[in-house]
Amino acid sequence: DIVMTQSPSSLAVSAGETVTINCKSSQSLFGSVRQKNYLAWYQQKPGQSPKLLIYLASTRESGVPDRFIGSGSGTDFTLTISSVQAEDLANYYCQQYYDTPNTFGAGTKLELK
Amino acid sequence: QVQLKESGPGLVQPSQTLSLTCTVSGFSLTSYNVHWVRQPPGKGLEWMGRMRYNGDTSYNSALKSRLSISRDTSKNQVFLKMNSLQTDDTGTYYCTRTSEWGQGVMVTVSS
Repeated sequence: DIVMTQSPSSLAVSAGETVTINCKSSQSLFGSVRQKNYLAWYQQKPGQSPKLLIYLASTRESGVPDRFIGSGSGTDFTLTISSVQAEDLANYYCQQYYDTPNTFGAGTKLELK
Repeated sequence: QVQLKESGPGLVQPSQTLSLTCTVSGFSLTSYNVHWVRQPPGKGLEWMGRMRYNGDTSYNSALKSRLSISRDTSKNQVFLKMNSLQTDDTGTYYCTRTSEWGQGVMVTVSS
């Protein structure tokens, strides 16, 4: 199984700051046929279902603000949130769907400083 | 409008079998994959398994011996069955099409 290692586990930020969340996979998520990385990012607020933010490592889901930026390739990926807003305080998860079983990172809790 | 909705018992006794149903609307099960994901209270997300658009299934390695996913395309439903439940199977169970998620159903394993 592909292991997803996410860091940090928690992050305290002030509104307006830029934050970076890292995700590392135990093997490459790059598919040679479509030339894409099969990595997604989700946001989950307390009491809510997860929400897809980013897929194919860097493609923003429709309606997701452009302050959410996904980057990376191969085994190393990053979610950057620029100018964090109060509504962004949540848990964030990366997930690989390159192979089954699909696997999630352990999550990053974004908190207010 | 795409919707997914989980249903099933809120309480299951230890060693018993959990049966959940995901009823979907707004899309065809023969065109999209549907996944089951669970989340223990206060913890992270765990991918359980997938019903592929063509009827193939894949499972979490750790759950494979206890888990079965099936579907009824005529009723737009995907089913999850997991046996030999223990207290650490307590949590919220979601079905998802990746871009859309159900609201989740809380399952408590307790006598």
